[in-house]
Parts: sequence; C-alpha cells; structure tokens
Amino acid sequence: QKEVEQDPGPLSVPEGAIVSLNCTYSNSAFQYFMWYRQYSRKGPELLMYTYSSGNKEDGRFTAQVDKSSKYISLFIRDSQPSDSATYLCAMSQEGFGNEKLTFGTGTRLTIIP
Amino acid sequence: DGGITQSPKYLFRKEGQNVTLSCEQNLNHDAMYWYRQDPGQGLRLIYYSQIVNDFQKGDIAEGYSVSREKKESFPLTVTSAQKNPTAFYLCASTLDPPSVETQYFGPGTRLLVL
Repeated sequence: QKEVEQDPGPLSVPEGAIVSLNCTYSNSAFQYFMWYRQYSRKGPELLMYTYSSGNKEDGRFTAQVDKSSKYISLFIRDSQPSDSATYLCAMSQEGFGNEKLTFGTGTRLTIIP
Repeated sequence: DGGITQSPKYLFRKEGQNVTLSCEQNLNHDAMYWYRQDPGQGLRLIYYSQIVNDFQKGDIAEGYSVSREKKESFPLTVTSAQKNPTAFYLCASTLDPPSVETQYFGPGTRLLVL
C-alpha cells in the first residue's frame, strides 16, 4: 500500500462546477499538507498548504485536512478552463523539507467550457 | 527575473551513454533537489543538496550522480547504470531551512531513450 493515495482521474467537469480533489494517507506523522498544480509539460507550482488539521481558503480554492480520517481535500469553486491541469497532493512530517516530501500520483483535471 | 532554469527541454540518450541535465537558479536558494516523475507514480526524490559541496541520496539514487560546486548549480548525471531512465526530471530549490513558501520547481527536462 502506498503512503499517499490519489485518484489519477482523469476528471472532467463543466465550467463553473465545484471540483473536489482528494488524497488519503497512512502515515499519521504527516503534519504539512500541500497541493501543487502542474500544467502539461511544466514544473509543479505550489497552490496551497496547510499545517496540521483544519481548513484554508484562498480565493476560489479551499484546502481541508482531516487528520482523524487521514484524508485531505482541495475544492475549486466556479471552475475555469484555466484550472485544467494535474493536481498533486504532497505531505511532509514534522519539519517541512523536501527530503521528507511524499507525493500523490496526481489527478488530471479538465474543465470543459 | 528570478527563477530556476533547466536544460535541455528534451534529451535523448543512447544505450550505454551518460547524460547530464542542467539546473541553475538565481534565487539565492541554499537547498536544491532533483525529482523524477513517471506516469502514475508521482514525484520521487533522487538527490538533494543543502549546501555547496554536500549532497545526500534520496529514495531512488541508484544510477544517478550529482555535484554541487556552486550554490546556483546542481547538475544531474544519468549514468548507463540507470536501466530505465525515460522520465520527466524536475529540479527544485528552496531556502535553508526549507519552507513551503520558498520552494520553486523548474520547468523540467524530458529524457528519452533511443
């Protein structure tokens, strides 16, 4: 079993819909939870991150962490065609450091105009 | 314009050949990293370096080598010992101690085997 599981999709939704992306994990030591957006043939860019449990909102994006269920989500409201990309979740233990980052496989999202 | 540059964008390797991927940053970041991305497997850490002239193996270092002679540069060599090198290679950097906010990825190099 992988430490981080992410549905690879692909996921297609109409423009304006609410998108829900999810990851589950098995390592209870994870404390930092990140979401990256990766456009085709480009490097990932950090979208949002959360430390420990709770919600975080940034514009149309909301990140949620439920440590009791070992489940994280990214919600995109009023989805736009420019949101079409692969979304990667990543997790880190007590101190953020790339040597400890564990990535999900990524979910490919397409927003249909 | 600050950022990370990777070259070349595409690289072709013949069997038995060593090839070197370039990664340069002008962000004055201390730490630099190499990841490999394969379809369905996410990003996996190959090597990382937190200071000049020092580097550590990541999860999949076999068949790869690196050097860190300058703060700005962290080249990755894919040696002939790497039997399945076809992948998308990503370089990243961050300040030390690392933080989520200061981490940046380069645009990547796609390596293909002839």
